[in-house]
Amino acid sequence: DQQVKQNSPSLSVQEGRISILNCDYTNSMFDYFLWYKKYPAEGPTFLISISSIKDKNEDGRFTVFLNKSAKHLSLHIVPSQPGDSAVYFCAASFSGNTGKLIFGQGTTLQVKP
Amino acid sequence: GAGVSQSPSNKVTEKGKDVELRCDPISGHTALYWYRQSLGQGLEFLIYFQGNSAPDKSGLPSDRFSAERTGGSVSTLTIQRTQQEDSAVYLCASSLQGMNSPLHFGNGTRLTVT
Repeated sequence: DQQVKQNSPSLSVQEGRISILNCDYTNSMFDYFLWYKKYPAEGPTFLISISSIKDKNEDGRFTVFLNKSAKHLSLHIVPSQPGDSAVYFCAASFSGNTGKLIFGQGTTLQVKP
Repeated sequence: GAGVSQSPSNKVTEKGKDVELRCDPISGHTALYWYRQSLGQGLEFLIYFQGNSAPDKSGLPSDRFSAERTGGSVSTLTIQRTQQEDSAVYLCASSLQGMNSPLHFGNGTRLTVT
């Protein structure tokens, strides 16, 4: 049973445009959500997080939106840059242990120059 | 400063053999996690160590898997009698104690069981 789902395995956008990566979850008890970015042959690196008490968190070019009623979160990257090309994983946890994460399958983003 | 270090970076082993994977966390990080990523899948939680507390082993897939953390620092993940389905990238991560501290991952060990 996949509790965190990223239904788009890949996404291609033009440099300078907005990238929108989506993630759905099934367990309404999740209360902390994160996005990680992964380059080939490297470990994932933390990008941005959001607590369930918020519906938006912004950090530079990256914004995460949380829609609790729809059990949906999204990551917006604007403007997209070629260096953003990577695999993006969303993850969810319970606030009791925000390191014990349930990950989605990942979305490969390609930003074309 | 140094990040999370894992060794070996690649390991090829024959089915039935035992393997040990090593993780050196970031100095001062009290929490240590093991995850694995099978081909085309997301990361799967395996085990979690926090300070001197008993580890959370709830993610270990079978009793062939075990892990220990010596002196609150280095950790080893041991897989006994490896099977082909154990082939995956095994990732270690550490974090500071406390809520909402992000995980810092190592580059992983790619395990191939032939």
